[in-house]
Amino acid sequence: GESVGLHLPTLSVQEGDNSIINCAYSNSASDYFIWYKQESGKGPQFIIDIRSNMDKRQGQRVTVLLNKTVKHLSLQIAATQPGDSAVYFCAENTGNQFYFGTGTSLTVIP
Amino acid sequence: DAGVIQSPRHEVTEMGQEVTLRCKPISGHDYLFWYRQTMMRGLELLIYFNNNVPIDDSGMPEDRFSAKMPNASFSTLKIQPSEPRDSAVYFCASSFGGPAYEQYFGPGTRLTVT
Repeated sequence: GESVGLHLPTLSVQEGDNSIINCAYSNSASDYFIWYKQESGKGPQFIIDIRSNMDKRQGQRVTVLLNKTVKHLSLQIAATQPGDSAVYFCAENTGNQFYFGTGTSLTVIP
Repeated sequence: DAGVIQSPRHEVTEMGQEVTLRCKPISGHDYLFWYRQTMMRGLELLIYFNNNVPIDDSGMPEDRFSAKMPNASFSTLKIQPSEPRDSAVYFCASSFGGPAYEQYFGPGTRLTVT
């Protein structure tokens, strides 16, 4: 029979535009969140993190927003570059428990 | 620092054979994790260790899978006997201070079981 894989959300953006990747988390007690980037053929790499006592954190070209009311996390990438093409995972952490989302595939169009 | 080191990078084996994957965590990290990634199931946590002691192995699929960490700088994941459905990329990761802190991933081992 036909195999069915994970249906990764996909996002295509033009080089130079801003990207917004979204993540819904499940546990209202989660207190720490991490975004990872996984390029083809490599392991996930840490991008940025945020604790639940914050609603925004900025890094270099990246910003993470946390909305605890609706349990939503987003990653904003400014001036998206071809090197940003990858799968992006959010991870939620509750005490010593942690969960990875299924990921979003970002493709940057030159 | 060289980061997390995994070997081999690629492994092709026949069904029924024993497979051993190896990992060297980042020096000083006290947590080590084994993950499996497939298109069907995404990234799955198999087991993790704290100070060489297995803490949570609830993700280990079945008795054919076993993991050991004899010392702070080395861990193995063994599959015996291997089956075609074990084909996946296996990642090792390490962290310092807790399982919910930033994890540093290795490059992965791509396993193909024919």
